[in-house]
Amino acid sequence: EDQVTQSPEALRLQEGESSSLNCSYTVSGLRGLFWYRQDPGKGPEFLFTLYSAGEEKEKERLKATLTKKESFLHITAPKPEDSATYLCAVQQSGGGADGLTFGKGTHLIIQP
Amino acid sequence: NAGVTQTPKFQVLKTGQSMTLQCAQDMNHNSMYWYRQDPGMGLRLIYYSASEGTTDKGEVPNGYNVSRLNKREFSLRLESAAPSQTSVYFCASSEAAGVNEKLFFGSGTQLSVL
Repeated sequence: EDQVTQSPEALRLQEGESSSLNCSYTVSGLRGLFWYRQDPGKGPEFLFTLYSAGEEKEKERLKATLTKKESFLHITAPKPEDSATYLCAVQQSGGGADGLTFGKGTHLIIQP
Repeated sequence: NAGVTQTPKFQVLKTGQSMTLQCAQDMNHNSMYWYRQDPGMGLRLIYYSASEGTTDKGEVPNGYNVSRLNKREFSLRLESAAPSQTSVYFCASSEAAGVNEKLFFGSGTQLSVL
């Protein structure tokens, strides 16, 4: 059973068309939820960390929000350069020091 | 500012061959990780090193070994490569495992095993 589920798998938008990506998680205790951006042929690049329900973080056209069961990455008036795969990951509480558990990602395409 | 450097970037092996993937970070991070990324599977943890001198298995350790050579370097070895190990491998580092898991990734090694 997946602990981190991202939807949709792929999303195609027109430039300027705002939308949201979803990340739902089922871990028993959440220490942190992370959003990464990954461009083709490159490693993931850190965007945000969220720690508690109600928290929001913003960067340029991106805003990440967190509830007790899911996180949203809102993209406002996107541009073609926002095209990438967006990865969500969680860090569980409980003392484990074994990195993050990742979702499969949402492949976002912004058409001019 | 190099961050996390991985070598090689591409590699083709025949079944049964061995190789070592190299990773080095220059951010003075304590923790280092090896992930593999396969289509439709997401990133999966192979091994990690919470601090210099320690290594632990992740989700998919079979067929791999690791060495934390010093604080900067963490290598991944395939002793007898199999086609199932065809994947993109990413090394990552973080300031302190279990405390701050913000990961910094290298650019990846694309490995094909024929």
